[in-house]
Amino acid sequence: GQSLEQPSEVTAVEGAIVQINCTYQTSGFYGLSWYQQHDGGAPTFLSYNALDGLEETGRFSSFLSRSDSYGYLLLQELQMKDSASYFCAVSQAGTALIFGKGTTLSVSS
Amino acid sequence: EAQVTQNPRYLITVTGKKLTVTCSQNMNHEYMSWYRQDPGLGLRQIYYSMNVEVTDKGDVPEGYKVSRKEKRNFPLILESPSPNQTSLYFCASSFQGEETQYFGPGTRLLVL
Repeated sequence: GQSLEQPSEVTAVEGAIVQINCTYQTSGFYGLSWYQQHDGGAPTFLSYNALDGLEETGRFSSFLSRSDSYGYLLLQELQMKDSASYFCAVSQAGTALIFGKGTTLSVSS
Repeated sequence: EAQVTQNPRYLITVTGKKLTVTCSQNMNHEYMSWYRQDPGLGLRQIYYSMNVEVTDKGDVPEGYKVSRKEKRNFPLILESPSPNQTSLYFCASSFQGEETQYFGPGTRLLVL
């Protein structure tokens, strides 16, 4: 079978750093993506890792370890607007994209 | 403006009354897909299409149909809706082999 595990909730304060972990079990793995979704809105693409290592995009970074079937999203210098749900998703052969259940991040002042 | 559009955005219907949710993209993407989102369950893929006339089942295809007669359109059809299909539906598209999927604004469906 295939599954993705990520924490359901994370809380942090403005200016802090938070890490959202994702472990996956799937066949035909191509890469790990991260999406952000504000309440009621459409998911938007944040980052993608196909190879092991760290990808940095501004305040956000994403990491992948294929041997450990593990990745994480790192958010730095947290802002109130970062309060949202974050989904990891695995790409499989044929471009099917399987999403985790999402992590709700709450940032307080 | 590059975008994915869905219609309707909100729909209330009754059990058994056939409905279609339209999805259209103007980015010439080969790949299109439908997801449903339910509280605590995340996004679950219903169907996807890798190109015109090529469709395949996702994780939760029961009770849904799709068609891909044109590259830009990928309608979702509920032949006989039931209350357990009450959900928030998203259409998405991307270039084949690219990881960035672009999502539509969502369609909130309530089946009574």
